[in-house]
Amino acid sequence: AQTVTQSQPEMSVQEAETVTLSCTYDTSENNYYLFWYKQPPSRQMILVIRQEAYKQQNATENRFSVNFQKAAKSFSLKISDSQLGDTAMYFCAFMTYNTDKLIFGTGTRLQVFP
Amino acid sequence: EPEVTQTPSHQVTQMGQEVILRCVPISNHLYFYWYRQILGQKVEFLVSFYNNEISEKSEIFDDQFSVERPDGSNFTLKIRSTKLEDSAMYFCASRGDRSYGYTFGSGTRLTVV
Repeated sequence: AQTVTQSQPEMSVQEAETVTLSCTYDTSENNYYLFWYKQPPSRQMILVIRQEAYKQQNATENRFSVNFQKAAKSFSLKISDSQLGDTAMYFCAFMTYNTDKLIFGTGTRLQVFP
Repeated sequence: EPEVTQTPSHQVTQMGQEVILRCVPISNHLYFYWYRQILGQKVEFLVSFYNNEISEKSEIFDDQFSVERPDGSNFTLKIRSTKLEDSAMYFCASRGDRSYGYTFGSGTRLTVV
């Protein structure tokens, strides 16, 4: 079975600091995509960052970057210079090449405090 | 930035009633989806739709559920006879190239009483 595990139900960080959210996944496939989605209190799901498994270079989007370790099946999200607006639920998800559905983790609730 | 639009944002219905949740995907996307999220729980796949037919569905998506693209812009999810356990946030999504992931709508909160 393909699964995504987020072992940190809740995290907190002070504004301007850096925080890392963990994600591991399990699949026997070699080709897949990985994503982090943000769900603020408004409940909308917003794509934060994506990574293609065949790319060794870690993806970066402004203050957000990932540490992708394919052999370890790990895909952590680093948020630098945390802002109050980063307060949200963060979901890790992946999708293999031979299916058309996202498999989500259970989420990490991030609180950024002043 | 193109958006996926969902209506209504919140719907309350009585158990046993039919509900239709509506979505307008991004216009040049060809793949459409419904997901649901029971409060405080993980996001679950319901169904994917391409070329006017269901391409994949989960075990949650039983005979009580159906999807339709009645015209060139709308994508609907119908629940024929709602149950209390259908209460959840329902998200519509669409995509173009899969490497870019999905674009989700802002969700419809369905409350069955």
